[in-house]
Amino acid sequence: NAGVTQTPKFQVLKTGQSMTLQCAQDMNHEYMSWYRQDPGMGLRLIHYSVGAGITDQGEVPNGYNVSRSTTEDFPLRLLSAAPSQTSVYFCASSYGSYHGELFFGEGSRLTVL
Amino acid sequence: AQSVSQHNHHVILSEAASLELGCNYSYGGTVNLFWYVQYPGQHLQLLLKYFSGDPLVKGIKGFEAEFIKSKFSFNLRKPSVQWSDTAEYFCAVNAAGTASKLTFGTGTRLQVTL
Repeated sequence: NAGVTQTPKFQVLKTGQSMTLQCAQDMNHEYMSWYRQDPGMGLRLIHYSVGAGITDQGEVPNGYNVSRSTTEDFPLRLLSAAPSQTSVYFCASSYGSYHGELFFGEGSRLTVL
Repeated sequence: AQSVSQHNHHVILSEAASLELGCNYSYGGTVNLFWYVQYPGQHLQLLLKYFSGDPLVKGIKGFEAEFIKSKFSFNLRKPSVQWSDTAEYFCAVNAAGTASKLTFGTGTRLQVTL
């Protein structure tokens, strides 16, 4: 059972480049989320999805796009990378709407030069 | 919207010392409460959770937390820490029914010395 899988684990981009962080889960979870972790700021919610075809913005959505075409996959797209997007990104999934705990991937460390 | 405050940013303890990490939240409705741990270089793992019922919840590795509704608190405790408990600890809350929208505190870095 792989759980939540994120790729790539490390990426270096130049300002203005675009890229996609991939996230897949094999637990048939309906709920998926993307967080970014920055020193001294904890984790902040970027976007989330409550099911295939449904996405919504979190606390810090600017500069990021998401889509949810299948239950398993929830990619995060950086449209035009900026140094402020240098961070560690975590994808998470949850099995329930009311009491669901989040299961996290191993993270993707992104550096934007 | 809910918010979470963790008052201790960096805690240094000797092995066998007792641990208590503070967590306060603000939200007027029913909440679910969590403590996650992040060991160096690893992803977040769930330590324990509170949904309802007994306000004293026990988690993995000897950790426990007590939900005090009147104080909006969910403090994490461990009677005797080990060197392997060195990690960052995050308190988190979501409004009941919003599993994807977890709000995290800024984290407490725990360093346990031998």
